[in-house]
Amino acid sequence: AQKITQTQPGMFVQEKEAVTLDCTYDTSDPSYGLFWYKQPSSGEMIFLIYQGSYDQQNATEGRYSLNFQKARKSANLVISASQLGDSAMYFCAMREGLGTGANNLFFGTGTRLTVIP
Amino acid sequence: NAGVTQTPKFQVLKTGQSMTLQCAQDMNHNSMYWYRQDPGMGLRLIYYSASEGTTDKGEVPNGYNVSRLNKREFSLRLESAAPSQTSVYFCASSDGGWGFTYEQYFGPGTRLTVT
Repeated sequence: AQKITQTQPGMFVQEKEAVTLDCTYDTSDPSYGLFWYKQPSSGEMIFLIYQGSYDQQNATEGRYSLNFQKARKSANLVISASQLGDSAMYFCAMREGLGTGANNLFFGTGTRLTVIP
Repeated sequence: NAGVTQTPKFQVLKTGQSMTLQCAQDMNHNSMYWYRQDPGMGLRLIYYSASEGTTDKGEVPNGYNVSRLNKREFSLRLESAAPSQTSVYFCASSDGGWGFTYEQYFGPGTRLTVT
């Protein structure tokens, strides 16, 4: 089974509007972390936001917020007030476990967001 | 700080040729990773190194070898390249402390084509 599922291959949003990118995850480990990365057309991977499985509140970073619904195993990214520079691929990723050492990430297939002027 | 650097940026190989992708980080991170990204797919982990002197297989290790040369450098070697290894390769690094709050920092990627 896929550990991370992103069901929206592509999304469009009007500039200055909000958009939600979906992510569901699958794990039996009670300790995990969820990450969102942005990949613009230039190709680099840019970290956006993180949510831990024990965090009580939804994470926020500027215009990014993570809608974390633990019972539904979903971790949707909300981008408010979209800008043209938000056009990019967005990847959801998960790390399982709390142990020391490497925090291997499992990635979804991504959602391509296009912001329309 | 340069962050994570990778060389080369682009490479074309013929089937059967070998090459080494180089990666270095200047953030004093303990852990380093190699991923590949294929069209329509997310990043998949090839190998990782939790700390200097250790390496472990990830999800798709076949056809690759790695060397953690020192704390800064982590190289990926293709011994006999195959067309199925055509991909974009990303190196990443992170702190490897307890907990899971440590995001990974990625290099710019190497676009490899095997003909």
